[in-house]
Amino acid sequence: NAGVTQTPKFQVLKTGQSMTLQCAQDMNHNSMYWYRQDPGMGLRLIYYSASEGTTDKGEVPNGYNVSRLNKREFSLRLESAAPSQTSVYFCASSEIGTGVETQYFGPGTRLLVL
Amino acid sequence: QKEVEQNSGPLSVPEGAIASLNCTYSDRGSQSFFWYRQYSGKSPELIMSIYSNGDKEDGRFTAQLNKASQYVSLLIRDSQPSDSATYLCAVIPPGNAGNMLTFGGGTRLMVKP
Repeated sequence: NAGVTQTPKFQVLKTGQSMTLQCAQDMNHNSMYWYRQDPGMGLRLIYYSASEGTTDKGEVPNGYNVSRLNKREFSLRLESAAPSQTSVYFCASSEIGTGVETQYFGPGTRLLVL
Repeated sequence: QKEVEQNSGPLSVPEGAIASLNCTYSDRGSQSFFWYRQYSGKSPELIMSIYSNGDKEDGRFTAQLNKASQYVSLLIRDSQPSDSATYLCAVIPPGNAGNMLTFGGGTRLMVKP
């Protein structure tokens, strides 16, 4: 049982390049989330998917797109990377509607945009 | 006004002391509150959740919730150097069908031997 996995762990991009961050969970959770974490800012929600087939914007969606590929996988795409997107990206999953609202986080992807 | 506020610290306490971490939130209708611990370079992990006014204890950790004053706190008794980390307060605001968390900026705790 790996929990939430993310790839890659580290990435360096040049301004304007594109990339996709991958996330998968094996806990059979319905809900998945993408956050970014910048120094002193806590975690800010980029996009979330309450269930397979649905996605919604969070607090900071500009410059990102997401795909809920299936129940297990939720990817985050940067179409044209900008230095302001340098951050640590965390994927999380949870099960809602059961009274257990714990979110489980992946190990993170550290992204540097030059 | 930020929805969830925390003092960024660092909060420095000697080993064996009680560490007190505080968090205030702006949305009065919030019902679910969480404390996550994050070691440097690692991902957040849940250590406490609280939903009702009062205290909730789990080992050396006690979460306290006061909805009237809109604050939630975390007490760590007998603090150990291994407790040194950033502690993130998180809230689920009302009308939130997607279980989305709003995080504070975190408080860095340093426990000195």
